[in-house]
Amino acid sequence: QSVLTQPPSVSGAPGQGVTISCTGSPSNIGAGYDVHWYQQVPGTVPKLLISGNNNRPSGVADRFSGSKSGTSASLAISGLQADDEADYYCQSYDNRLSAWVFGGGTKLTVL
Amino acid sequence: EVQLLESGGGLVQPGGSLRLSCVASGFTFSTSGMGWVRQAPGKGLEWVSTISSRGSPYYADPVKGRFTISRDNSKSTLYLQMNGLRVEDTARYYCAKRQGLRYLDWSHDYWGQGTVVTVS
Repeated sequence: QSVLTQPPSVSGAPGQGVTISCTGSPSNIGAGYDVHWYQQVPGTVPKLLISGNNNRPSGVADRFSGSKSGTSASLAISGLQADDEADYYCQSYDNRLSAWVFGGGTKLTVL
Repeated sequence: EVQLLESGGGLVQPGGSLRLSCVASGFTFSTSGMGWVRQAPGKGLEWVSTISSRGSPYYADPVKGRFTISRDNSKSTLYLQMNGLRVEDTARYYCAKRQGLRYLDWSHDYWGQGTVVTVS
């Protein structure tokens, strides 16, 4: 059971948009710690997609955006493309565990 | 170009030891926080350990007391000494560069290809 809860899967048609949620608690996201998002295409290395809640590293398409409110965060992907099919993970810090924590991951399927 | 190259994985019996290494290049290693993240077969990402640029170590509870993270800035190399290995430690271990203004808010901005540890 992950400290950060993500839906196991989401799906959308090409061109559509999807949102992936990351639900935390007052000891992590709710405490104000930054949320980061990673994309892992099957068989490849995780890649930083969003840092500091809503910042895109150089080279990341502006179709990807992040937000945070209260004890939750979200990753929005617009204009879905076939190569967006991947696992997506959120990450933050938890002061009750004194540990950096990842969400369980969400598998995105592009229909 | 940032590069992280891990080595040292392998097959080990329960209770055994391994030392993972990660050679870094393409950035100023000595001023960067570094860490290890693992991924068990078919599972998600799990934070394992982090070390600050000054050498302060941080560990996840499942590995505390068994794993030791260290760094050699003269060699731009990160290490993870793993003792008392358990079956549940079986995973691909990724070396990652930590990034951010405040260490509690660090992300993992660059990742190596990983090295596989099998405990059986």
